[in-house]
Amino acid sequence: KQEVTQIPAALSVPEGENLVLNCSFTDSAIYNLQWFRQDPGKGLTSLLLIQSSQREQTSGRLNASLDKSSGRSTLYIAASQPGDSATYLCAVGVGAGGTSYGKLTFGQGTILTVHP
Amino acid sequence: DAGVIQSPRHEVTEMGQEVTLRCKPISGHDYLFWYRQTMMRGLELLIYFNNNVPIDDSGMPEDRFSAKMPNASFSTLKIQPSEPRDSAVYFCASSPTVGADTQYFGPGTRLTVL
Repeated sequence: KQEVTQIPAALSVPEGENLVLNCSFTDSAIYNLQWFRQDPGKGLTSLLLIQSSQREQTSGRLNASLDKSSGRSTLYIAASQPGDSATYLCAVGVGAGGTSYGKLTFGQGTILTVHP
Repeated sequence: DAGVIQSPRHEVTEMGQEVTLRCKPISGHDYLFWYRQTMMRGLELLIYFNNNVPIDDSGMPEDRFSAKMPNASFSTLKIQPSEPRDSAVYFCASSPTVGADTQYFGPGTRLTVL
């Protein structure tokens, strides 16, 4: 059974710092990996989607990397801002033979607080 | 597009009552997912549909839970009878495909069973 772990569980940083969130998964046979953001009382918003054949994806100040063989992904946030404060969730997609099964397994999330 | 719409946003009920949660996916999305989020267990997939047909319901906790998708623009998740341990936030998400596209989440329904 796939298990996804996120470290740290919570992180508090001053504005302007670069930071790294970590995600690890136990079964390397994944179809893709996604990073989501969740604001309090809200649904999830997709940040980055990395296919299993890719090594990284970038969007603005965000960069996500994937090392499938070691079962790890990192989300790098550059020049953090108070507006980045949220819970960040990593999710791995199951699939095989070029077909996705459509199922996502989520980590417990990292609660990020960026203070001015 | 208005995004994924869920109703109600909050539901408080008493143990033993029937609860029905509703979801309208984004138009044109062929896949619909129901998730449950709790502090203890995090976010768990309950069931998902492709073109209105249930594909995988292995995450449905027990027979008290049932989900239907009578047409491409509407789905329900029903709990009968409800129990306090069902208290959670229930999310609906939709996607145009699986694998190549992300899932778009609704705002969730916060269910409290007293």
